[in-house]
Amino acid sequence: GAVVSQHPSWVICKSGTSVKIECRSLDFQATTMFWYRQFPKQSLMLMATSNEGSKATYEQGVEKDKFLINHASLTLSTLTVTSAHPEDSSFYICSARLQGLAGTGELFFGEGSRLTVL
Amino acid sequence: ELKVEQNPLFLSMQEGKNYTIYCNYSTTSDRLYWYRQDPGKSLESLFVLLSNGAVKQEGRLMASLDTKARLSTLHITAAVHDLSATYFCAVDKETSGSRLTFGEGTQLTVNP
Repeated sequence: GAVVSQHPSWVICKSGTSVKIECRSLDFQATTMFWYRQFPKQSLMLMATSNEGSKATYEQGVEKDKFLINHASLTLSTLTVTSAHPEDSSFYICSARLQGLAGTGELFFGEGSRLTVL
Repeated sequence: ELKVEQNPLFLSMQEGKNYTIYCNYSTTSDRLYWYRQDPGKSLESLFVLLSNGAVKQEGRLMASLDTKARLSTLHITAAVHDLSATYFCAVDKETSGSRLTFGEGTQLTVNP
């Protein structure tokens, strides 16, 4: 099946620094990728929709200047958490949709990236 | 606003027993998904249900969709310990640009 890979799997950083998380579709092209955030014992919340070659679409309440999304190619989207603070500590998961004749439009999820901000 | 509600949120059951997890959603949807999540891991896709009356089965899990009732069920047959995980349903509203709205999750524990 289609594979979506995230990097890094986990990262620990100091408060005030920026952290970049990569999401790659390994064997298919994805014009659209999605970024989710999951706090412990909670469900996934959609943060933004990443569109190749254009600006990301953010969900209500998500600060676009804090969570920078870049989708520069059909296989890579990046999420940068700028000036991270402890409350940004979370599990970040990306997904990509397999479109076209070869796919049902099913979403595939990355392995997730656990961010801990000290 | 699309809302997705799962019931129950926590479920403890013994091996060999059957149980059903329910997923209600508030508006018309094009697709419904069931995912499994193990602790510290990402989501594993279980089922994608595309139409009213759809039923899919994989091993001890069977999912169904009733779009008129806006209800999906995940039925567990003869549970085994390996099924212990958190199960999420999610609804895809195509007109919204295919953004998923997730239910709260059902944390299942199967006891030997």
